[in-house]
Amino acid sequence: AQSVTQLGSHVSVSEGALVLLRCNYSSSVPPYLFWYVQYPNQGLQLLLKYTTGATLVKGINGFEAEFKKSETSFHLTKPSAHMSDAAEYFCAVSDLRYRGSTLGRLYFGRGTQLTVWP
Amino acid sequence: DTAVSQTPKYLVTQMGNDKSIKCEQNLGHDTMYWYKQDSKKFLKIMFSYNNKELIINETVPNRFSPKSPDKAHLNLHINSLELGDSAVYFCASSLGGGDTEAFFGQGTRLTVV
Repeated sequence: AQSVTQLGSHVSVSEGALVLLRCNYSSSVPPYLFWYVQYPNQGLQLLLKYTTGATLVKGINGFEAEFKKSETSFHLTKPSAHMSDAAEYFCAVSDLRYRGSTLGRLYFGRGTQLTVWP
Repeated sequence: DTAVSQTPKYLVTQMGNDKSIKCEQNLGHDTMYWYKQDSKKFLKIMFSYNNKELIINETVPNRFSPKSPDKAHLNLHINSLELGDSAVYFCASSLGGGDTEAFFGQGTRLTVV
């Protein structure tokens, strides 16, 4: 079964500082990995995803993540935090298949609340 | 031009009532989902439909019944509401493959009193 662990339910950084949000996954097959962001009272928005190919993935708003199979990790980084980055961030892993269907389902981590101080 | 829209955004109701949440997507996706986000923000899938066919039913009490009249709509009906049903319910849609992005609605905050 797939699972995701996000280390640190809260991360605080100063504006301009490096953002690092940690995600480790457990998967019996090569995973599809995602980072979603949730702003207050809104739905989730995709930041980036890893499916195959290049292990360093670039997303929106200057975020990137690196898939490290040996470490079963998919940590999210941004070189310089902005006030507008304050939000809840979710790492997720998807099934390749579900009961014979190509339909994927997302398994989410418990989220990391990012606070950015001026 | 909202891609995935849910109504209502807020729903406050008494225990024992029956309520429905509606979801519509205009992305042309074949697959739609309901996710539940609890008070600790943990997200878990409840149901998924692919072309109006139920694909995933994740050990959800049978008081919850999804209905998909067409592939652009997936509604959620909840009977005999309980306090523990209070949560934010998100509708989402995707092309259906495990590598595809899910697009989420803004959520329906259900409060059962």
